[in-house]
Amino acid sequence: GAGVSQSPRYKVAKRGQDVALRCDPISGHVSLFWYQQALGQGPEFLTYFQNEAQLDKSGLPSDRFFAERPEGSVSTLKIQRTQQEDSAVYLCASSLRLGHNEQFFGPGTRLTVL
Amino acid sequence: DAKTTQPNSMESNEEEPVHLPCNHSTISGTDYIHWYRQLPSQGPEYVIHGLTSNVNNRMASLAIAEDRKSSTLILHRATLRDAAVYYCILYEGLRYGQNFVFGPGTRLSVLP
Repeated sequence: GAGVSQSPRYKVAKRGQDVALRCDPISGHVSLFWYQQALGQGPEFLTYFQNEAQLDKSGLPSDRFFAERPEGSVSTLKIQRTQQEDSAVYLCASSLRLGHNEQFFGPGTRLTVL
Repeated sequence: DAKTTQPNSMESNEEEPVHLPCNHSTISGTDYIHWYRQLPSQGPEYVIHGLTSNVNNRMASLAIAEDRKSSTLILHRATLRDAAVYYCILYEGLRYGQNFVFGPGTRLSVLP
């Protein structure tokens, strides 16, 4: 069956540009997470949705970062006025419900800001 | 969040067993021990998880110390495809929106 998909897989942006990264979770998965992974490090939490509600955005590094999941399925992570320090892989994960369910990760979007 | 410590890197020969250690001395009674791995250019994937008893699945085994302050992920016969970064994560999973807290993990190299 289809796993979590993300698009684009690679994005190059000039500093100051706005970017939008898309995540298609597994159908029916209630929970959706965004993580940021810098080169050589483990993923770091950005934000969490339960259905369409954004219940935790404590990991978003600045107010330039914004995420939405308006219909409780597809989610978009938007970064405004990109900076070089935003260069990273952005990972999306979904899980069926709260608890010790497996989190399924997408392949990530590699963002490079020049 | 409780922290885990893992060796930065390990090496193994193909078809030999691999024991990946993880220390979690501040684990709480409600924390489960999860292991994920990340192959090159991919997102992390689930390997195994457990609470107190040792666990086996088709991918690996998880041995948990009696005091739960450490655990070991065991790959019974390493293959080249097992070369990845392995993350040991403590996860309570009882709070809405609880996310995984990843450390730097252990980079496993498998030699042919």
